[in-house]
Amino acid sequence: GQQLNQSPQSMFIQEGEDVSMNCTSSSIFNTWLWYKQDPGEGPVLLIALYKAGELTSNGRLTAQFGITRKDSFLNISASIPSDVGIYFCAGRTQTSGSRLTFGEGTQLTVNP
Amino acid sequence: DGGITQSPKYLFRKEGQNVTLSCEQNLNHDAMYWYRQDPGQGLRLIYYSQIVNDFQKGDIAEGYSVSREKKESFPLTVTSAQKNPTAFYLCASSMVAGSSYEQYFGPGTRLTVT
Repeated sequence: GQQLNQSPQSMFIQEGEDVSMNCTSSSIFNTWLWYKQDPGEGPVLLIALYKAGELTSNGRLTAQFGITRKDSFLNISASIPSDVGIYFCAGRTQTSGSRLTFGEGTQLTVNP
Repeated sequence: DGGITQSPKYLFRKEGQNVTLSCEQNLNHDAMYWYRQDPGQGLRLIYYSQIVNDFQKGDIAEGYSVSREKKESFPLTVTSAQKNPTAFYLCASSMVAGSSYEQYFGPGTRLTVT
């Protein structure tokens, strides 16, 4: 099956700093999704991307669908304590139907 | 409010017992999914269903069973054959038509088997 490599695995930053994380795939994806999960809760969809090169923002969050269609990036600007959580990328290929492949997650810690 | 509900939030069982986790959605989504999450790990697909009365195995289906008798409901049974059932279980749903395959998740059920 498809493999998704998400990095970094964890990040420890100061409040106010910008954050970048990315996912790379061994296959060409035609959908990229980014989720955030708070402890003990279900993941919440942050941003959905459907076209190569697409750049989409949601408040302080910006995500990009890589031109090669094998990667995606998520940036968080001016981090705040409530940004703490696990961020997951997920993607699907042309042939995977509605199934998504998930990355392993990036654990973000923000120090006030 | 539209959304996905999972109940209960916490579930405790003795080893050797089957247990059924509930998942209901009122989003009118065609597809529903069950994932398992272990501490510090990503999501692994157990089973999914794209239409009523049909479902497919995911990557870790052994020891689990599902049914999809209604569009709104997709219960998961963790059987005694599942060797390590203690985990956080997440249900999700999505459309399957058009370009939207965004999955929306419920709040999860934490199952502890002793």
